[in-house]
Amino acid sequence: SQTIHQWPATLVQPVGSPLSLECTVEGTSNPNLYWYRQAAGRGLQLLFYSVGIGQISSEVPQNLSASRPQDRQFILSSKKLLLSDSGFYLCAWSSWGGAYNEQFFGPGTRLTVL
Amino acid sequence: GDSVTQMEGPVTLSEEAFLTINCTYTATGYPSLFWYVQYPGEGLQLLLKATKADDKGSNKGFEATYRKETTSFHLEKGSVQVSDSAVYFCALKLNNQGGKLIFGQGTELSVKP
Repeated sequence: SQTIHQWPATLVQPVGSPLSLECTVEGTSNPNLYWYRQAAGRGLQLLFYSVGIGQISSEVPQNLSASRPQDRQFILSSKKLLLSDSGFYLCAWSSWGGAYNEQFFGPGTRLTVL
Repeated sequence: GDSVTQMEGPVTLSEEAFLTINCTYTATGYPSLFWYVQYPGEGLQLLLKATKADDKGSNKGFEATYRKETTSFHLEKGSVQVSDSAVYFCALKLNNQGGKLIFGQGTELSVKP
């Protein structure tokens, strides 16, 4: 069966510090991968998605970047965190191709920038 | 552009009450529609989905019907339980661009015993 992991589960970082959040998927090959952010009291916003290794699409201009160094690994990064980067970050995957494939979400990382 | 609009929360109901959470969408083409649920402190789980007009998705007593004429996908449950307390997200999935999801802002449901 497929599983998706995210770490760390929680993170408290000072403003201006770097960030690296990792997401890995097991039990599937060539998945589509997604990073979402859920700010406090707000809905989910798609940040990045990837349809293959090294292929990243950015949805909103921001302080963050994403990379996909391996087929089932998706990394969210920042060189210098801002207060506004605080939120709940969710990684998701779906099967490659197939218009109706659902997305499966990881447990999330709660980031607090102080 | 493509978007999803949900009724604002929080919604507070007594146990066994009837639930409706409204969801309307704007999309080019023919998207798939989803309801996701987020229990406190957890990630999102798919609750139900519908892939074409007039499809009805159902799961755990929840139902939603894909209404193309009204561009709606309202979530309903006949008798809610305390364990249904969560945040509910309506979403549409574009059938291109990697199949990305566009979410509504979420509706918090609180069920009191």
